[in-house]
Amino acid sequence: EPEVTQTPSHQVTQMGQEVILRCVPISNHLYFYWYRQILGQKVEFLVSFYNNEISEKSEIFDDQFSVERPDGSNFTLKIRSTKLEDSAMYFCASSARQGAGGTEAFFGQGTRLTVV
Amino acid sequence: SQKIEQNSEALNIQEGKTATLTCNYTNYSPAYLQWYRQDPGRGPVFLLLIRENEKEKRKERLKVTFDTTLKQSLFHITASQPADSATYLCAPDSGGYQKVTFGTGTKLQVIP
Repeated sequence: EPEVTQTPSHQVTQMGQEVILRCVPISNHLYFYWYRQILGQKVEFLVSFYNNEISEKSEIFDDQFSVERPDGSNFTLKIRSTKLEDSAMYFCASSARQGAGGTEAFFGQGTRLTVV
Repeated sequence: SQKIEQNSEALNIQEGKTATLTCNYTNYSPAYLQWYRQDPGRGPVFLLLIRENEKEKRKERLKVTFDTTLKQSLFHITASQPADSATYLCAPDSGGYQKVTFGTGTKLQVIP
């Protein structure tokens, strides 16, 4: 069964360092997302990406964050200068389509980012 | 602004009983609503999607209802098993946007 894969599963970084979280969405999907979940809190939307551009972003997704689809398979989230409060589980997701009918999103297993 | 409310308190039920979880939403009228399951340290997994013109949807031991008048969805697990223990997330659609927006989730614990 197709799945979304994320690497690494766990990343520890020093405050102020740049990190890149990587994702391989399901191959025929068109919409890509990043979410984060701080320990014990809800899953929060960060950004959605379609047709090689950001289609929506939340207040959390400030100038420190960027996303990229550098080739036909990978989808990355970059945090330019990490802060302690960026410590969280980051989930990548993809979906086949969007529209009034709705469609489910498929989530990866997450990357646990720890900023020290 | 749009608001999604799920009971933040954990729900403990005896194995074999029916678990019922509630999702209330305010300030908008979603065209559909999704339910996901999340296990600790794992990503959400899609379970069911119900559209506004559907009153009820079933999948094996799962049943979802969608009451657009009450602005509420109920999620039922019949004949619950310890393996059903997880956090269940409600996600009404975001008004035409692509993202899935989750409620806080309700943690279900099925006691053997």
